[in-house]
Amino acid sequence: NAGVTQTPKFQVLKTGQSMTLQCAQDMNHEYMSWYRQDPGMGLRLIHYSVGAGITDQGEVPNGYNVSRSTTEDFPLRLLSAAPSQTSVYFCASSYRPEARGYTFGSGTRLTVV
Amino acid sequence: GIQVEQSPPDLILQEGANSTLRCNFSDSVNNLQWFHQNPWGQLINLFYIPSGTKQNGRLSATTVATERYSLLYISSSQTTDSGVYFCAVLNRAISNFGNEKLTFGTGTRLTIIP
Repeated sequence: NAGVTQTPKFQVLKTGQSMTLQCAQDMNHEYMSWYRQDPGMGLRLIHYSVGAGITDQGEVPNGYNVSRSTTEDFPLRLLSAAPSQTSVYFCASSYRPEARGYTFGSGTRLTVV
Repeated sequence: GIQVEQSPPDLILQEGANSTLRCNFSDSVNNLQWFHQNPWGQLINLFYIPSGTKQNGRLSATTVATERYSLLYISSSQTTDSGVYFCAVLNRAISNFGNEKLTFGTGTRLTIIP
């Protein structure tokens, strides 16, 4: 049982490049979400999904796209990376938004130069 | 949206000391969780506690939902307790889709000195 798996763990991008952060969970959780963590600002919600085919924006969605074609996977796409997107990104899952026991991935540290 | 405030922002204690971390929130909640982020960045779920009191070893948590706050108690601190503690809440008073957002506070950074 791997829980929530995020890849890659580290990434350096040049301004304007695109990339996809991968997130996969094997717990059959319906709810998945992406957060970014910046110094002094806690975790801020980027996008979330309540099930396959259903996504919605969080607090800071600009510059990011998501899709949810399967229950297991919830990739986060940066279309044109900007230095302001330098951050640590976390993926999380749970059975329902109000459920106990959110499980977080180990994070992706992204630097945009 | 709901506001979450944590205090103190930083706390430095000697090993063996006790500590109390506070989380205030601005609206009713039906999900409140405490997380510990260790020095390597991993986020670990400590408690799911939208109301009442729970204990797990040296850690315990109390949420007084009517007064909109939660407390995390750490007794006999150890150096492994160091890290950042986050409170996160969800207000699902509006039950329609679009309100499924767990909102985090900015955390309390705890440093335990040997």
